[in-house]
Amino acid sequence: GENVEQHPSTLSVQEGDSAVIKCTYSDSASNYFPWYKQELGKRPQLIIDIRSNVGEKKDQRIAVTLNKTAKHFSLHITETQPEDSAVYFCAASMRGSSNTGKLIFGQGTTLQVKP
Amino acid sequence: DGGITQSPKYLFRKEGQNVTLSCEQNLNHDAMYWYRQDPGQGLRLIYYSQIVNDFQKGDIAEGYSVSREKKESFPLTVTSAQKNPTAFYLCASRGRGNQPQHFGDGTRLSIL
Repeated sequence: GENVEQHPSTLSVQEGDSAVIKCTYSDSASNYFPWYKQELGKRPQLIIDIRSNVGEKKDQRIAVTLNKTAKHFSLHITETQPEDSAVYFCAASMRGSSNTGKLIFGQGTTLQVKP
Repeated sequence: DGGITQSPKYLFRKEGQNVTLSCEQNLNHDAMYWYRQDPGQGLRLIYYSQIVNDFQKGDIAEGYSVSREKKESFPLTVTSAQKNPTAFYLCASRGRGNQPQHFGDGTRLSIL
């Protein structure tokens, strides 16, 4: 069935370094890819999203890249800060989701930024 | 995301008891969703609704039920048939067109 794999499951970086989280998806019909940040005990918050008609999108220190051929998409965080520490989830839209909005979520990456 | 309200924040269920989790939104969103989150795992879809009086099962609907009598409200009932209900439950909503889902603050359900 439809699936989203996310790696790594944990990531530890030094403050100021870059962090990269990668996801692969199985459904070639997926056309929408959001990323959410979830702090401990809080709601997931949308931080950036990308649609299949573009290959890259940036928002300040955050960027997302999409390779439709390989069915990969990645989150890049530059100049990491301690407040970036959280769990990050990728997601991909499911076939037919233009009406339903259904998403499949990756398993999550726990990012720790050490001061 | 302040327009999506989940209550209560914490809930305890006794054996054999049904409990209902509330989700209300004032964003005029058509679509609403319920997810279950277990420690160290991603979000799994329980039920979703695109319009009033209509809803569909997600990937893990067994032991759960929902209703959508009003556009603003999408309550989730965890029935006694759900043998492992301990989890963090998240409600989300989405506007029309190609809009992202936005989440409420969640309800943490535990067994007494």
